[in-house]
Amino acid sequence: DAGITQSPRHKVTETGTPVTLRCHQTENHRYMYWYRQDPGHGLRLIHYSYGVKDTDKGEVSDGYSVSRSKTEDFLLTLESATSSQTSVYFCAIEQNGNTIYFGEGSWLTVV
Amino acid sequence: QKEVEQDPGPLSVPEGAIVSLNCTYSNSAFQYFMWYRQYSRKGPELLMYTYSSGNKEDGRFTAQVDKSSKYISLFIRDSQPSDSATYLCAMSQTYYNTDKLIFGTGTRLQVFP
Repeated sequence: DAGITQSPRHKVTETGTPVTLRCHQTENHRYMYWYRQDPGHGLRLIHYSYGVKDTDKGEVSDGYSVSRSKTEDFLLTLESATSSQTSVYFCAIEQNGNTIYFGEGSWLTVV
Repeated sequence: QKEVEQDPGPLSVPEGAIVSLNCTYSNSAFQYFMWYRQYSRKGPELLMYTYSSGNKEDGRFTAQVDKSSKYISLFIRDSQPSDSATYLCAMSQTYYNTDKLIFGTGTRLQVFP
């Protein structure tokens, strides 16, 4: 258990509405990540953070923004949700140098 | 062509069978290789981690890397119904660049009693 909590775990929202997913960690890890997982595409990195207020884009960052104002919290925001953002979102932290550990996931459906 | 290819399965085997799960990759610079196990509606959990070529064993699990063929394998001996899950391979070129970790799409394994 890497001490990661994601919220909400399940959400249904309407197209065009903003959505924020929260990742909370309890072990003071510097690096945090947001991935999405889709059939046929596997896990793809959206954004990551290497410290408070330090973030960078991943492979599929369009339509997403992130913020990290405290070490323990990493927020993923969909400014205006689209149906293509229906997915499972996983938060992850880096541990032991170069291995990452995942949270339990947040299931998002955009209707 | 994807950098990492994995047969999606499902792979269905009887309890007690030896299972072989495989990934091929195209980037010869990959040096760090991982296997994750993901149960249905759960997050992936790290199962095995290897560096460069060779074998690594942990209980019923053996990870094998063949860099000359750009091929990695995960063997599960005496498979159990509790091994039923999706297995994801992942790999990277350098030690610290976890933002550059590339995942396979996963192979679904079903072990029936």
